[in-house]
Amino acid sequence: DTGVSQNPRHKITKRGQNVTFRCDPISEHNRLYWYRQTLGQGPEFLTYFQNEAQLEKSRLLSDRFSAERPKGSFSTLEIQRTEQGDSAMYLCASHYLQGIRGYTFGSGTRLTVV
Amino acid sequence: DQQVKQNSPSLSVQEGRISILNCDYTNSMFDYFLWYKKYPAEGPTFLISISSIKDKNEDGRFTVFLNKSAKHLSLHIVPSQPGDSAVYFCAASADGSARQLTFGSGTQLTVLP
Repeated sequence: DTGVSQNPRHKITKRGQNVTFRCDPISEHNRLYWYRQTLGQGPEFLTYFQNEAQLEKSRLLSDRFSAERPKGSFSTLEIQRTEQGDSAMYLCASHYLQGIRGYTFGSGTRLTVV
Repeated sequence: DQQVKQNSPSLSVQEGRISILNCDYTNSMFDYFLWYKKYPAEGPTFLISISSIKDKNEDGRFTVFLNKSAKHLSLHIVPSQPGDSAVYFCAASADGSARQLTFGSGTQLTVLP
């Protein structure tokens, strides 16, 4: 499988709980991105990694959000003390630094906070 | 403040005809533009891109046109096929390598058989 894999596909959680999502990028891609998409909107940038280094974070990424990419391989996105406004599709994408084509996105994790 | 705007939420076209999807942007620092296609329950799929040094890029049935003075780009699909029915997102980057993309809100294209 050469695609970007995201798990779980769906997550329903109660407000106040913590959730963690996982992304496995395409193996040779050294850049990894997290985006968030709400209904009727395009994806919004959250953060990106080059190898294991987190190089940029959007102001959308509040202190309740944390992302890691240990050893420059898979990545996790954790949301602490979830709020209803966190309900969205969380998309992961990967990209090869010198590539001229766009990102490859995963199918996303749909989070519903009840 | 929406820096990338897709003002048409939906577009219907007859099979075999041309589909034209439009996108406007406000940030003059954008120098790289992309189009993505998204089917339900899937992530966006890269379609075609264009650098600000060009005004046209073509890939098979897909052509993207860039008008920098008008801050406008368009995607032409000729001929349109039913399998092209999807949501199309316009995206832009200010760093030349698509490190951080700003997306529009998308246009739902329906190609009628």
